[in-house]
Amino acid sequence: AQTIHQWPVAEIKAVGSPLSLGCTIKGKSSPNLYWYWQATGGTLQQLFYSITVGQVESVVQLNLSASRPKDDQFILSTEKLLLSHSGFYLCAWSLQGGREQYFGPGTRLTVL
Amino acid sequence: GDSVTQTEGPVTLSEGTSLTVNCSYETKQYPTLFWYVQYPGEGPQLLFKVPKANEKGSNRGFEATYNKEATSFHLQKASVQESDSAVYYCALSDEGGSAKLIFGEGTKLTVSS
Repeated sequence: AQTIHQWPVAEIKAVGSPLSLGCTIKGKSSPNLYWYWQATGGTLQQLFYSITVGQVESVVQLNLSASRPKDDQFILSTEKLLLSHSGFYLCAWSLQGGREQYFGPGTRLTVL
Repeated sequence: GDSVTQTEGPVTLSEGTSLTVNCSYETKQYPTLFWYVQYPGEGPQLLFKVPKANEKGSNRGFEATYNKEATSFHLQKASVQESDSAVYYCALSDEGGSAKLIFGEGTKLTVSS
């Protein structure tokens, strides 16, 4: 069975500091991968998607970047955090050509 | 662009009563429609999908019919339980290569015993 793991579970960071969030998928070969952001009490906004290693497409940047260094790994990062980056970051996967997306447990980010 | 509009929440119900969460959408393409459920502190879970017009999706007592003419996809459950308390999102995936999911604003359901 496939599993999706996100790290860290939660982060508290200062404005202007760097950030790196990670996501790994086990049990699925060559999945599509996605990053979403969710403000507290808000809806989900897709940020990036990737259909293969080394290839990432931006949907909404929000001064963030993403990379896919391995088939099962997706990284979200920024060099300088803003207060507006606070929220819940979710990684998701789907099968190649599939429409259903399956979400990870999320990372709660608080920027102070 | 594509959009999804949901019942404005929150919704508070007593156990055993019926639920309807309205969802309508706009797209120029042929969408696949989904309902997701999100419990506090967790990622959303896929409740079910309906890929074709005039078909019904269902899971855990929840159901929705994709009405292409009305561009609607309302979520219903005949008898809610306290454990159904969560936020419900309808979502639309178009035919584009990104499999982009567009979510509605979410409807928070609280069920009291």
